[in-house]
Amino acid sequence: NAGVTQTPKFQVLKTGQSMTLQCAQDMNHNSMYWYRQDPGMGLRLIYYSASEGTTDKGEVPNGYNVSRLNKREFSLRLESAAPSQTSVYFCASSEASLRTDTQYFGPGTRLTVL
Amino acid sequence: AQTVTQSQPEMSVQEAETVTLSCTYDTSESDYYLFWYKQPPSRQMILVIRQEAYKQQNATENRFSVNFQKAAKSFSLKISDSQLGDAAMYFCAYRSGDTLAGSYQLTFGKGTKLSVIP
Repeated sequence: NAGVTQTPKFQVLKTGQSMTLQCAQDMNHNSMYWYRQDPGMGLRLIYYSASEGTTDKGEVPNGYNVSRLNKREFSLRLESAAPSQTSVYFCASSEASLRTDTQYFGPGTRLTVL
Repeated sequence: AQTVTQSQPEMSVQEAETVTLSCTYDTSESDYYLFWYKQPPSRQMILVIRQEAYKQQNATENRFSVNFQKAAKSFSLKISDSQLGDAAMYFCAYRSGDTLAGSYQLTFGKGTKLSVIP
């Protein structure tokens, strides 16, 4: 039982390049989330998927797209990377039941955009 | 929109002593959930404790306990018998109890960096 896994762990991009961050969970959770963590800012929600087949914007969605490929996988795509997207990216998942929902986080991806 | 404030960017505690981390939040909702997450240098986000707003009793989890003051919108974390492994960033987080359209996202504070002095 690996929980939430993310690939890659580290990535360096040049401005304008594109890439996709991958996330997978093996807990049969319904909801999945992408957050970014910047120094002094805490974690901020980029996009989330309440259930398979649905996605919604969070607090900071500009410059990103997501795909909920199936129940297990939720990817985050940067179409044209910018230095402002240098951050640590976390994927999370939750069962999404009304009273017992708790989010479990992956190990994060450190992305640097030059 | 809900906001979460952690007013202590950094704190330190002597090993085996007790420390309290502060968190306040702003919401107009009556049903919600509060969490403390720990982030060690490994970057992994680890759930420490959670509190349901409808529960009067403060949550406890081994050496970790909370002081939940709903009227004051305060949610502090107390760590007893501090250990070296407790050194980490600690984040307070809020989740709405209104799950219309399955919206379960968390709103985080900016974090408190806790150092444990041997």
